[in-house]
Amino acid sequence: AQKVTQAQTEISVVEKEDVTLDCVYETRDTTYYLFWYKQPPSGELVFLIRRNSFDEQNEISGRYSWNFQKSTSSFNFTITASQVVDSAVYFCALRDSNYQLIWGAGTKLIIKP
Amino acid sequence: EPEVTQTPSHQVTQMGQEVILRCVPISNHLYFYWYRQILGQKVEFLVSFYNNEISEKSEIFDDQFSVERPDGSNFTLKIRSTKLEDSAMYFCASEVADTQYFGPGTRLTVL
Repeated sequence: AQKVTQAQTEISVVEKEDVTLDCVYETRDTTYYLFWYKQPPSGELVFLIRRNSFDEQNEISGRYSWNFQKSTSSFNFTITASQVVDSAVYFCALRDSNYQLIWGAGTKLIIKP
Repeated sequence: EPEVTQTPSHQVTQMGQEVILRCVPISNHLYFYWYRQILGQKVEFLVSFYNNEISEKSEIFDDQFSVERPDGSNFTLKIRSTKLEDSAMYFCASEVADTQYFGPGTRLTVL
């Protein structure tokens, strides 16, 4: 069965701290995609990154970085030097062979000034 | 930058009434989706649509739901007879290069 687990329900840190959001997935597909989306308090879903199963290179985009480890079925997301504007719910999702996204439960990130 | 748009942003309806949620996908995208998110819960897949027909649908997408692309630009989700448990945020998405881009959502409240 396809499944995405985000074990951290809520994380609270002080501004400028680094924070890592965990994502573990299960799939029988050999080809798949993994995603992170951000849902700010306004409610929209903002695409952050897509990773395909054949590309295990880590990616960095500004203060954001992603660590994809196929051996542990994890796709973790780190925010360096967090800012108050990073406060949001972050979702990890898996795109299966039927093209639908299977979502984790989300991690609510609170950045305190 | 092109965006997916959805109307209305908020819809309030009485139980048993029909609602139509509207979406305008990004113009060169070919795959379209509806998802819903009950307040405070995870996002759930409803249906995917390609080449003017449904590709996949979830167990949630029962006979009360239907989708249509009536005019080549709009993509609609109809709920025929709303129930209290249909209250949720409904997101439309369109896809290109294996990535789904989401609209801002329609908050449906069923009273």
